[in-house]
Parts: sequence; structure tokens; C-alpha cells
Amino acid sequence: GENVEQHPSTLSVQEGDSAVIKCTYSDSASNYFPWYKQELGKGPQLIIDIRSNVGEKKDQRIAVTLNKTAKHFSLHITETQPEDSAVYFCAAKRAGNQFYFGTGTSLTVIP
Amino acid sequence: DGGITQSPKYLFRKEGQNVTLSCEQNLNHDAMYWYRQDPGQGLRLIYYSQIVNDFQKGDIAEGYSVSREKKESFPLTVTSAQKNPTAFYLCASSFEANYGYTFGSGTRLTVV
Repeated sequence: GENVEQHPSTLSVQEGDSAVIKCTYSDSASNYFPWYKQELGKGPQLIIDIRSNVGEKKDQRIAVTLNKTAKHFSLHITETQPEDSAVYFCAAKRAGNQFYFGTGTSLTVIP
Repeated sequence: DGGITQSPKYLFRKEGQNVTLSCEQNLNHDAMYWYRQDPGQGLRLIYYSQIVNDFQKGDIAEGYSVSREKKESFPLTVTSAQKNPTAFYLCASSFEANYGYTFGSGTRLTVV
């Protein structure tokens, strides 16, 4: 069925390095792709999103890229800091403003 | 401040009992959603409501029920028919299509 695959499931980086999380979707009708950050014991928080009419969007240290042809999109975090440690979820819009969610990536930034 | 509030944060239930999770938002969002989160899995949609007095089943609605009597409120009842109710439950709301969700802080339900 339709879904979103997210990789890797865990990621450890040194403080100051970059982190990249990749997602692949299957629903060709998906046209909106948000990314969420979830800290321990809290609900996910929207950190950046991209729509299908653009290929890249950047917000300070965070960027998202989208390749519609290949049906994949990626989250890039540069100059990582310990407070970036969290679980990150990608999502792809489905009908009815619902989303397919990835299974999450646990990012650890090592000081 | 505007936001979405879930209560309680932790909930324990004995097998065979129904339990209701609260979700309230003051964002004036029309749409509200309930998701279930289990370790190693993506968020799975239980129920959603796009307007007051109307709601639809999501992907895993069996054993759950909801109501939407007010725009601000979307409570979820976990019934005794739900086979594996222990999970982290997330409520969310959205302004309109093609916008991301605002999530609550979640309720962790444990069946004892």
C-alpha cells in the first residue's frame, strides 16, 4: 500500500557535523511534505515543510530537498548542536489532509 | 497562547475498562486528528474530524470511538474491544488542507 520509508532509523553525528535523513514516498498524488521533530515525552513539532512546486527550501541550519521524479525528499541539518538530538519524522500528504508518516529517525548529536 | 492540550499525560487502565483521552485546542482549527504511536512505527491514524459533528475512521479505528460536539474538543475513547491499547496517543489539529499539523504533547496509556 501507499506509505513513506524513512532512513536511517538511528543516526549519530559529532557536534558541528551535518546530518541527512532521507524519505521515499509512493503516492504520486502527494504534494506537501512536512518534517517534524519530536523530543522525548513530547508531541512532534513542525520544523520545515516543502510543497511539490519547489525543489529546495532552507530555514537557517535546516533545509529540505524534494525530487518528485524519484519520489524522495531529504532533511539536511548543518552545524548540528546537542539540542538537535531528537526523533525526526517525515510525512507525505495523502487525501483529506491526512499524512503518511515515516517511522522516524533518532538523531544523537555527540558533544 | 494558542495551542492544543491533551490530558492526562499518563493514564493507567485495567483490562476490560473504557477510558477517554481529552484533546482541546484554541487555535480555531477546523480539522482534528487522533494518532497512535508505537515504538519503531510511524504514526497511525485512528480517527479524524474535518468539521463539528462529523468524523471519519482512519486506518486503525477498531476498538476506538470519538465525538466532535464542539470545534475545540475531540475526545477519544479507548474501549475494551481494543486488543493492544498500550501506546502513546497524539492529538493534532490543522487549519486547512496543505498545512502541517499542530500536535498535542500526547497521552501515554498503559493497560495494567
